[in-house]
This record gives sequence, structure tokens and C-alpha cells, in this order.
Amino acid sequence: ELKVEQNPLFLSMQEEKNYTIYCNYSTTSDRLYWYRQDPGKSLESLFVLLSNGAVKQEGRLMASLDTKARLSTLHITAAVHDLSATYFCAVGGSGGSNYKLTFGKGTLLTVNP
Amino acid sequence: DTGVSQNPRHKITKRGQNVTFRCDPISEHNRLYWYRQTLGQGPEFLTYFQNEAQLEKSRLLSDRFSAERPKGSFSTLEIQRTEQGDSAMYLCASSLVGGAANEQFFGPGTRLTVL
Repeated sequence: ELKVEQNPLFLSMQEEKNYTIYCNYSTTSDRLYWYRQDPGKSLESLFVLLSNGAVKQEGRLMASLDTKARLSTLHITAAVHDLSATYFCAVGGSGGSNYKLTFGKGTLLTVNP
Repeated sequence: DTGVSQNPRHKITKRGQNVTFRCDPISEHNRLYWYRQTLGQGPEFLTYFQNEAQLEKSRLLSDRFSAERPKGSFSTLEIQRTEQGDSAMYLCASSLVGGAANEQFFGPGTRLTVL
């Protein structure tokens, strides 16, 4: 059974600081997704990573994937208050279960002035 | 708005009542998914459809839960004899078969409170 672990689960940052959220998963997959969720809202797709070594960047966020280590990272550069949200990684199943996403518990990010 | 829509957005019901939620996917998407999210957790997969065929049901989906997608367009999720443990956000997502990413786009969710 695929398991996805995120850490940290809670992250309080100061503005302009950098930090990284880690996402580890337990079985082979070549699809990893990062989503953002604001309180009471649905999930917004941020990044789709499909191959080993994939790196994608959007604004102050950069995501990478190492399929050999079964690890993805979401790096936050020079955080601003607008980035405060919960960030989820989700891993796509392999083979016949490739449609199914297994989510981590999420990282609640709070950016303080 | 061409995104995934869900109705109602909020539902409060008494234990033992039946409830039904509706999801309208992005129009050209032929895959539709239901997830459940409880407070402080990530979404958990419940079931998915490809066109009108329901291809997998999670063990989380007890026999009180039933989902349909009769014409391969919108879907309904019904919960019979609701229990307090059913209180959660029910999320619907859709995707396009054949896309390399199988990226799933989520609707706003239906928040269910069972009293």
C-alpha cells in the first residue's frame, strides 16, 4: 500500500526566509503532484512532476522530484504572507492504479511579518 | 466558469438521514473522482469513474455509500443513514484520459455536518 509522508506538518516562517517541505513516498511512482489549499477552500494544483529529476518553478515556489529516493521537495524562497496555506503532495499510483492519488497529511504554512 | 462544480456547498443533516451530493466535472473530462477530507488530513480516495463506469471503490466506501455517473457527465454521491463519522468535506475531481499527467482538478467541495 502506498504511503505518503510530509514533513514538517506545521511550519511557521518569517517573511523573506527560505524553507523546504519534504514529501516521501513508499512505493514506485513517476507522478507527483503538489496542491495548495486555503482554509475552507478546495485544492489548487501547483505542480505536476512526471520524471526523475523534474524541477518546476512558479514564483517563489520550486518543486523537484527524485524518483530513486522517492522524495519530492517544495522549496519556498523569500516567503511572503500570501503563501500562507496548507500544501499537500500527492502521489499517483503505478500500473493499473495510476488514476488514484494518495495524499500526504499536508503542511500548514504560516508566514509571519 | 468551466471548472468542476459541486452542490450543495454545505449540508447539515441529522444522524440517520440520507444525503445526496452532485458533481459536474469539466466538460471534456471523462474521469471523475470522489475524495473525502476530514479536518487536518489530506483527501482520501473514495471512488472513480471512467465515463459512466465505476471502476474502483475504496474500502472506505461502506455499503451506505453509493455513487453514480449515469450518462458519463455529472455524478452523484449518496450517503444513506448518515452517521456522525461521515462529517467531512467531500471533494470531486476530474481529469482527462490520455493526458500524460492525469492531472486532477478539484471542485470546491461539499462540507457535510451530521448532527
